[in-house]
Amino acid sequence: EVLLVESGGGLIQPGGSLRLSCAVSGFSVSNNYMSWVRQAPGKGLEGVSVIYSGGTTQYTDSVKGRFTISRDNSKNTLYLQMNSLRAEDTAVYYCATSPTQGSWGQGTLVTVSS
Amino acid sequence: DIQMTQSPSTLSASVGDRVTITCRASQSIDSWLAWYQQKPGKAPKLLIHKASSLKSGVPSRFSGSGSGTEFTLTISSLQPDDFATYYCQQYNFYSETFGQGTKVEIK
Repeated sequence: EVLLVESGGGLIQPGGSLRLSCAVSGFSVSNNYMSWVRQAPGKGLEGVSVIYSGGTTQYTDSVKGRFTISRDNSKNTLYLQMNSLRAEDTAVYYCATSPTQGSWGQGTLVTVSS
Repeated sequence: DIQMTQSPSTLSASVGDRVTITCRASQSIDSWLAWYQQKPGKAPKLLIHKASSLKSGVPSRFSGSGSGTEFTLTISSLQPDDFATYYCQQYNFYSETFGQGTKVEIK
């Protein structure tokens, strides 16, 4: 069974930084498509970032230059470093495997507010 | 960026109804499309990938079709557990974007 567990969310002031982690079991993060998806309160799903099997990364326009996706193969963990946070980044952040494999974590809430 | 447009935004239906949700892409995505079901407070659940491949364990009343720019998700006979919000997602051209969602409500 594939299990993804996110952590690292919380309340942060505008301009601050957070690092989200996604610990994965039953599936290797190395050389596999992994992504972060967020959902603002009462809103739809938004793809935030993807890291592809070869290491290529992709970001939605609103987070380019502020967020960085990475993975630690030895810990089988996916990360999302979020800097210069804004109120509009407030959301539940999910990590997910590829759309073919289709496993998601339970989500971690990030609230950006003063 | 590829835009995904779902219709309708809300759908009212009864148990036993046949339900169809449409998703249109702003450019061709071949068959790189997935469908998800989400219930309040829960993570999305994958139903279909590669436009028409049913994920193992998903009931056969769910089916997907289409290629290029137009896709459909069909529920052949709506069950009480199916009242939820459904999203399409394209995963082509080193990007992924979601449709805005379709909420299936009880009529």
